[in-house]
Amino acid sequence: DGGITQSPKYLFRKEGQNVTLSCEQNLNHDAMYWYRQDPGQGLRLIYYSQIVNDFQKGDIAEGYSVSREKKESFPLTVTSAQKNPTAFYLCASSIQGHQPQHFGDGTRLSIL
Amino acid sequence: DQQVKQNSPSLSVQEGRISILNCDYTNSMFDYFLWYKKYPAEGPTFLISISSIKDKNEDGRFTVFLNKSAKHLSLHIVPSQPGDSAVYFCAASAQGTYKYIFGTGTRLKVLA
Repeated sequence: DGGITQSPKYLFRKEGQNVTLSCEQNLNHDAMYWYRQDPGQGLRLIYYSQIVNDFQKGDIAEGYSVSREKKESFPLTVTSAQKNPTAFYLCASSIQGHQPQHFGDGTRLSIL
Repeated sequence: DQQVKQNSPSLSVQEGRISILNCDYTNSMFDYFLWYKKYPAEGPTFLISISSIKDKNEDGRFTVFLNKSAKHLSLHIVPSQPGDSAVYFCAASAQGTYKYIFGTGTRLKVLA
């Protein structure tokens, strides 16, 4: 079954720690995305990648970093510079731009 | 500045009746629009899309209407079913970009 796998489903972080969220897809999609969802808000774009070894900042990239070394993988690191990291994080992929995105089931990050 | 707006946070409809969810946008460069459905603790699922060259697209019980002059789109669900109860997001994208802008969502509750 093709799809997007995000792990873990729940993640806890201590103050001052970096943490990495995993996103893997086997849909052979070129484009991948990271979004953040806060209560009562829509999805806000953190980073996106159109192709391997290339990525662009979204609307709220501060305090986050990504890499795209393989087509299948687009991990997101939440750094200690992110002042309010508690949120629901969603990874998505699409064949290319102007195509529907397929989403993973998300990772909920909480600060201890 | 919120470029995609869903002004109704919630909507309740009787089973079997029509559900109409609305979305307004401000950026005239948007030319591709999508609707997603989201259950709690899951990723959004793509429902239906429409390109700006059309004013209507239909898929089973779901129809999306686009009024470019009013910068308004709507999703009609007929007939509504209890399983349609979820949060619905509209999203928009401009030609030549991989970025999608999401609305804040409308929570639909279909009453049995």
